[in-house]
Amino acid sequence: EAQVTQNPRYLITVTGKKLTVTCSQNMNHEYMSWYRQDPGLGLRQIYYSMNVEVTDKGDVPEGYKVSRKEKRNFPLILESPSPNQTSLYFCASRSHNSYEQYFGPGTRLTVT
Amino acid sequence: QQQVKQSPQSLIVQKGGISIINCAYENTAFDYFPWYQQFPGKGPALLIAIRPDVSEKKEGRFTISFNKSAKQFSLHIMDSQPGDSATYFCAASPSGTYKYIFGTGTRLKVLA
Repeated sequence: EAQVTQNPRYLITVTGKKLTVTCSQNMNHEYMSWYRQDPGLGLRQIYYSMNVEVTDKGDVPEGYKVSRKEKRNFPLILESPSPNQTSLYFCASRSHNSYEQYFGPGTRLTVT
Repeated sequence: QQQVKQSPQSLIVQKGGISIINCAYENTAFDYFPWYQQFPGKGPALLIAIRPDVSEKKEGRFTISFNKSAKQFSLHIMDSQPGDSATYFCAASPSGTYKYIFGTGTRLKVLA
């Protein structure tokens, strides 16, 4: 089954404790992206990657890092999480040949 | 200039009625306008999308109307059903980029 998977689905952590949210897709898509969803703000793009080793900032990249060492994986790293990064995070992927994005199931992160 | 403004924030419609959600944009470089549907606990899923070279696109009960001169586009859900109850997001993507700008979302409730 074609899908985007994220782990963990739920995470509660404390301020300053480094964490990684993983994202993997099995559709051989070149493009992957991370979004955060907050009430009243919709989805905002954090980082995106056009292919292996090629990444760029979205609209809200501060406090986040990404890497794309393999085509199927695109982890999101929070090196020093803060409470304002409490949010619902989505990973998405798409092919270069299509605008259609496929979203993962989401990761709900709470930073206390 | 990168914003996509979506209205209304919430919408209640009777079963069988027409649901209309509107979006407006400023950036004339946008050339792809998708609508996403999101059910609670799930990631957004592409519902229907349009390019600016057409004024309307219909897929089943869902229609996008696009007004290039007014820089507005809207989603019409005909014969709305309780199963359509979800959050809907409009989005826009500038030509030649991998960026996506989302609206703030509309929570639709269709009463049985």
